[in-house]
Amino acid sequence: GAVVSQHPSRVICKSGTSVKIECRSLDFQATTMFWYRQFPKQSLMLMATSNEGSKATYEQGVEKDKFLINHASLTLSTLTVTSAHPEDSSFYICSASGAGAYEQYFGPGTRLTVT
Amino acid sequence: GQNIDQPTEMTATEGAIVQINCTYQTSGFNGLFWYQQHAGEAPTFLSYNVLDGLEEKGRFSSFLSRSKGYSYLLLKELQMKDSASYLCAVRDKQAGTALIFGKGTTLSVSS
Repeated sequence: GAVVSQHPSRVICKSGTSVKIECRSLDFQATTMFWYRQFPKQSLMLMATSNEGSKATYEQGVEKDKFLINHASLTLSTLTVTSAHPEDSSFYICSASGAGAYEQYFGPGTRLTVT
Repeated sequence: GQNIDQPTEMTATEGAIVQINCTYQTSGFNGLFWYQQHAGEAPTFLSYNVLDGLEEKGRFSSFLSRSKGYSYLLLKELQMKDSASYLCAVRDKQAGTALIFGKGTTLSVSS
């Protein structure tokens, strides 16, 4: 099956710093990538949808200037959390789908802790 | 908008059968997914329904009734490793290919 990787798997950063999370599709071309956030014992909340080569579409309530998303190629999307605060501590998961595909393949997630 | 409801928690014993229900409200239904998620891990795909009826895949089956806005995931011959959260997710035509997830049902399987 299709494989999606995320890096790093865990990151701890200080308040006010920025953190970049990478999401890669390893064996298929991901025309669309999605970024989700999951707080403990909560479900996945869609943050944004990005299509290769175009600007991401953010969900209501998600600050686009704080969560910068870049989808520069068909195999890589990045999420940068800028000026991180403790309340940004969460599990960030990306998923990817190919052209015309109905299924999304999820990455293993990144645990972000802001101290 | 969309609204997806599923029970918060369920318990069952090894070897039993359990049914996890999901009801949804959406203006432009375009498919329903079930995912399994173990604690601290990413969701893994279980099933996809877009037409009414039952889809069977090994020990897992998923049912959909579009007119009732209802789906269920049926797990047979339960094993301890089936203890996990089960997420119901709906695709809405207005949302493109994005998925809207329910809050998940935490299933605990005991011996």
